[in-house]
Amino acid sequence: GDSVTQMEGPVTLSEEAFLTINCTYTATGYPSLFWYVQYPGEGLQLLLKATKADDKGSNKGFEATYRKETTSFHLEKGSVQVSDSAVYFCALRGGGGNKLTFGTGTQLKVEL
Amino acid sequence: GAVVSQHPSRVICKSGTSVKIECRSLDFQATTMFWYRQFPKQSLMLMATSNEGSKATYEQGVEKDKFLINHASLTLSTLTVTSAHPEDSSFYICSANSGLPTFNEQFFGPGTRLTVL
Repeated sequence: GDSVTQMEGPVTLSEEAFLTINCTYTATGYPSLFWYVQYPGEGLQLLLKATKADDKGSNKGFEATYRKETTSFHLEKGSVQVSDSAVYFCALRGGGGNKLTFGTGTQLKVEL
Repeated sequence: GAVVSQHPSRVICKSGTSVKIECRSLDFQATTMFWYRQFPKQSLMLMATSNEGSKATYEQGVEKDKFLINHASLTLSTLTVTSAHPEDSSFYICSANSGLPTFNEQFFGPGTRLTVL
């Protein structure tokens, strides 16, 4: 079945540091890929998405590229802020369906 | 954007009682709603998929009689945890599928923290 693997956290960075959160997936067909963010005490919010190979999703300075050859969708940001502290979930949706399969989440802590 | 609300945001109950959690899509009609359970520092586990006017589809290992799901209208789905026990304590999150033709995005509610004493 479908699965998503994320790097374990927590990831602790200083403000303005470069961020990479790795995500790889296993799926049949051609899934859509997503990054969701969960701020403390809140539900998930869609951060960015990519629906086909080589697509780059971007939002709020974050970006991720759908790499079919390496089955990856790594999240990057050039300069993180304290306000980016949250849990980030990589997810996929298999072709033709509505179900989302989530990774275990990576907690990001950004310090001054 | 599309907004999904959940009520209550927190609930504490005694063991053996039942608890109902509501999930509402506020500004769109949701033909499909999803219920997830999130354990501390873990991912979201899909419990069931709820379609308006029909029975919910439960994921393997989720007890149908324990977690009753009703999707009575295009804007409301409810999850009832029956005869709750401490092991049912968790963060329950719903999402609603907007069904937009361009992108079938799921919009998530803020979650409900259930604590069973």
